Amino acid sequence: EPEVTQTPSHQVTQMGQEVILRCVPISNHLYFYWYRQILGQKVEFLVSFYNNEISEKSEIFDDQFSVERPDGSNFTLKIRSTKLEDSAMYFCASSIVTDTEAFFGQGTRLTVV
Amino acid sequence: QKEVEQDPGPLSVPEGAIVSLNCTYSNSAFQYFMWYRQYSRKGPELLMYTYSSGNKEDGRFTAQVDKSSKYISLFIRDSQPSDSATYLCAMSARYSGGGADGLTFGKGTHLIIQP
Repeated sequence: EPEVTQTPSHQVTQMGQEVILRCVPISNHLYFYWYRQILGQKVEFLVSFYNNEISEKSEIFDDQFSVERPDGSNFTLKIRSTKLEDSAMYFCASSIVTDTEAFFGQGTRLTVV
Repeated sequence: QKEVEQDPGPLSVPEGAIVSLNCTYSNSAFQYFMWYRQYSRKGPELLMYTYSSGNKEDGRFTAQVDKSSKYISLFIRDSQPSDSATYLCAMSARYSGGGADGLTFGKGTHLIIQP
């Protein structure tokens, strides 16, 4: 069964460092998303991406975040200068049409120290 | 306003019981309603989605949406210990301008099925 794949599963980084989280969406999907979940809190929408551009972003997705689809299969989230409060699980998701049936990856646990 | 409320539980029931999980919301623009299951430290797994009001059944799972009351439910029949997980409701509005809207999640209900 097709699935969304995320790497790495866990990343530890020092505050102020840049991190790139990687995702391979399901191959025939057209819409891509990043969400995050701080421990014990709700899953929160960060950004959606369609047709090689950002479709919508939340207030959380400020200038330190960026997304890219560098080739036909990968979808990345970059955090330029990590802060302690960026520590969370980051989930990539994809859907054929808009997020009514979005399939999530297993997540990358980001720990900022 | 994009708030979704969900009782975090934990909700503990004996094996074989019927489970009822619920969410309320305040944004009348929500039209798409989803239920996800999440195991500890894993990604959300889509269980059901419905559009607008009504019922949808899939095996032991039934999703109900009452837009007039801004209330959605997920029923699990013949519950099994393997159903023990956190259940998240999620919602989306489709704006006239199109685009890929983000899902708004509830906090999740932790469900425990006792053998």
